[in-house]
Amino acid sequence: KNQVEQSPQSLIILEGKNCTLQCNYTVSPFSNLRWYKQDTGRGPVSLTIMTFSENTKSNGRYTATLDADTKQSSLHITASQLSDSASYICVVSANSYGGATNKLIFGTGTLLAVQP
Amino acid sequence: IAGITQAPTSQILAAGRRMTLRCTQDMRHNAMYWYRQDLGLGLRLIHYSNTAGTTGKGEVPDGYSVSRANTDDFPLTLASAVPSQTSVYFCASSEFGTGLHEQFFGPGTRLTVL
Repeated sequence: KNQVEQSPQSLIILEGKNCTLQCNYTVSPFSNLRWYKQDTGRGPVSLTIMTFSENTKSNGRYTATLDADTKQSSLHITASQLSDSASYICVVSANSYGGATNKLIFGTGTLLAVQP
Repeated sequence: IAGITQAPTSQILAAGRRMTLRCTQDMRHNAMYWYRQDLGLGLRLIHYSNTAGTTGKGEVPDGYSVSRANTDDFPLTLASAVPSQTSVYFCASSEFGTGLHEQFFGPGTRLTVL
């Protein structure tokens, strides 16, 4: 069964600190892995997209890593800011959902709270 | 500002009533999607459309229908709403339905069925 599991479920850190969020997946056939940020009451916004051959990708203070062998990914946030408070969702894309499109399997997210 | 708009923002609906959630994008994207987001679950795909005039079923299509008469609009209809359809609904679009194309999400519609 295709699954995406994230940990921790929630996390509280102080402003300025770093943190790392984890994502484990069992998705086949794997196409790509995405990290999204979802602010409360808003739609998800893409942070990074990585293919099988990419080990790391950065977007500002966000750095995602991918180990396709162990089927694990992490999202590292550097020098956190209050605006980083959000849910971070790991999404894995499987090839050809019904032969027509990429199927996205969403994790349940890690809720991050950055406190002053 | 280019992007996706959804209407209404929120709605309370009596069970058995018909409801259409509206979605419009101005990015000329070929593919559009409807998801529902429930507490404790990841987003789940309801229906999708890879191009105007075509639609497909997602993971949880029962009780929902869609149409794609043109590129910009992708309405989602609940023919006879039930309480289990209480959820937050997100519309999304991408340039194409395959590959690495980023999906852009709308702000969501919070629907409560009583």
